[in-house]
Amino acid sequence: DAGITQSPRHKVTETGTPVTLRCHQTENHRYMYWYRQDPGHGLRLIHYSYGVKDTDKGEVSDGYSVSRSKTEDFLLTLESATSSQTSVYFCAIGRRDRGQETQYFGPGTRLLVL
Amino acid sequence: QKEVEQDPGPLSVPEGAIVSLNCTYSNSAFQYFMWYRQYSRKGPELLMYTYSSGNKEDGRFTAQVDKSSKYISLFIRDSQPSDSATYLCAMSGNTGNQFYFGTGTSLTVIP
Repeated sequence: DAGITQSPRHKVTETGTPVTLRCHQTENHRYMYWYRQDPGHGLRLIHYSYGVKDTDKGEVSDGYSVSRSKTEDFLLTLESATSSQTSVYFCAIGRRDRGQETQYFGPGTRLLVL
Repeated sequence: QKEVEQDPGPLSVPEGAIVSLNCTYSNSAFQYFMWYRQYSRKGPELLMYTYSSGNKEDGRFTAQVDKSSKYISLFIRDSQPSDSATYLCAMSGNTGNQFYFGTGTSLTVIP
């Protein structure tokens, strides 16, 4: 257990509304990630962070923004939600285990955009 | 071409069978290799990780990496119904910061 929580766990929203998902970690890890998981596509990286206020884009960043004002929190915002953003969103932290980089995932947020 | 290819299955085996799960990749810079297990409606759980080529064993699980063929495998011995899940392979390069995932193989072990 890497001490990762995500909130909310489930959300239903309407097209065009803003949505913010929160990821919280308790172990002070530098790297944090946001992924989305869709059938047939697997896990796709949206954005990641390598420190407070340091973020970068991933493979599918269009329509998403992130912020990290504290080490423990990484926020994902959908500025104007679209139906194509209906997905399961996972947060992950990067951790070095015995010299190897690994990632540990949170429980996920299921988002439905109507 | 995707960075990582994984047969989605589904794979269905009887209890006690040996299961072989595989991924191929195209980027020769990948050095770190991981297998995740994901139960339905849960987050991926790190199962095993290996660095570079070779084998690693952990209980009923064995991970193999063949860098010359760009091919990795996960073997499950004496499979159990509790092994029923989706298995994801993942890999990364020297920086280790960006991971590339397979789409997952769905496994069902029938009692």
